[in-house]
Amino acid sequence: DTGVSQDPRHKITKRGQNVTFRCDPISEHNRLYWYRQTLGQGPEFLTYFQNEAQLEKSRLLSDRFSAERPKGSFSTLEIQRTEQGDSAMYLCASSPDRVLTEAFFGQGTRLTVV
Amino acid sequence: TQLLEQSPQFLSIQEGENLTVYCNSSSVFSSLQWYRQEPGEGPVLLVTVVTGGEVKKLKRLTFQFGDARKDSSLHITAAQPGDTGLYLCAGAWWGRGSARQLTFGSGTQLTVLP
Repeated sequence: DTGVSQDPRHKITKRGQNVTFRCDPISEHNRLYWYRQTLGQGPEFLTYFQNEAQLEKSRLLSDRFSAERPKGSFSTLEIQRTEQGDSAMYLCASSPDRVLTEAFFGQGTRLTVV
Repeated sequence: TQLLEQSPQFLSIQEGENLTVYCNSSSVFSSLQWYRQEPGEGPVLLVTVVTGGEVKKLKRLTFQFGDARKDSSLHITAAQPGDTGLYLCAGAWWGRGSARQLTFGSGTQLTVLP
């Protein structure tokens, strides 16, 4: 399977704990995105990487959130001191470096903060 | 902030009926995509439209991009239960420089009853 892979698929954590999610993009894609989606809503942009450079971050990405993409390959999204409001589906997508912004999504990580 | 409005928000129809969902913005899109998402999964790309007035067909699905590139529609002919899902439109605006992130609408939840 050469699609976008996310791990874990589901994560339940207690409020105040830290969590880390991983995304492996399609291998030839230079761009990588993180989105967050809550029930009944469309995905909301969090951050974007072009290779290893983090080029844009949404205001939704508070200082408790950090994302990395070392060596321009896989990416991690860490949430520190989780809050119940962080409960959501976290989606990763990758895109080739072409003019059109076609994003290919992984299956997501469902986070539940209890 | 560019906003995308989708309508209707919910749509429940009988198998065999036709339907149209809409995606509108006050800004001109550089490109627009339609995705379908099933519960617990990431969005799956259906089509990308770029040129004003463009029409693309994917089996029973017809996608149209408005002449002014500010709106789009998705028409499904003879809907089937397998078409059930959340239909999302997403737009990209090149005017944001290197940021090629997509902005999503809130989606149309389609249910096709057998």
